Amino acid sequence: AQKVTQAQTEISVVEKEDVTLDCVYETRDTTYYLFWYKQPPSGELVFLIRRNSFDEQNEISGRYSWNFQKSTSSFNFTITASQVVDSAVYFCALSEAYAGGTSYGKLTFGQGTILTVHP
Amino acid sequence: NAGVTQTPKFQVLKTGQSMTLQCAQDMNHNSMYWYRQDPGMGLRLIYYSASEGTTDKGEVPNGYNVSRLNKREFSLRLESAAPSQTSVYFCASTVDPQGHNQPQHFGDGTRLSIL
Repeated sequence: AQKVTQAQTEISVVEKEDVTLDCVYETRDTTYYLFWYKQPPSGELVFLIRRNSFDEQNEISGRYSWNFQKSTSSFNFTITASQVVDSAVYFCALSEAYAGGTSYGKLTFGQGTILTVHP
Repeated sequence: NAGVTQTPKFQVLKTGQSMTLQCAQDMNHNSMYWYRQDPGMGLRLIYYSASEGTTDKGEVPNGYNVSRLNKREFSLRLESAAPSQTSVYFCASTVDPQGHNQPQHFGDGTRLSIL
């Protein structure tokens, strides 16, 4: 069975600090997808990134960057120069691609990390 | 540009009452999902519908039923609500995940309290 662990329940930083959110996953599949979603205080879920298991290139999008390491089963998310607007709950999620042909894109979420950025 | 629409946004029920949460998407997506979000537990899959006409259980299906009414609509029913079903419920959809697992698009959620 697949599992996603976000060990950091809450993180508090001061604006302009860099912050890394950890995500560790477990899966038996060789083909899988990893996601990060943001949930701001308004409550909706916002998609941030999708990464497949064959693409270990790190990705940068503005102040956001993601470090995918299959060797340690981790997919960590770093926010550089954090801002108050980054305050949110961040979820890491895993979807197995095949799972015997019955995956259907089902997501397994981590517990979420509450990030608070203070001015 | 509605995306995924959930109704109602808020609901308070008494134990034993029944209700149906509605979800509709206008993106012509094939697959739809219902999740519940509880503090410290992330989102957990209740039921999903891989395509019109099919439904299947997720991780926490007990106490719920679903109906895929057509390609656009996927409803979640609580037949006899229990306090343990107090949660925020999210509906999601995706175009066709088989082998490609495109991102799911989420509705804004329904906050449900069972007294």
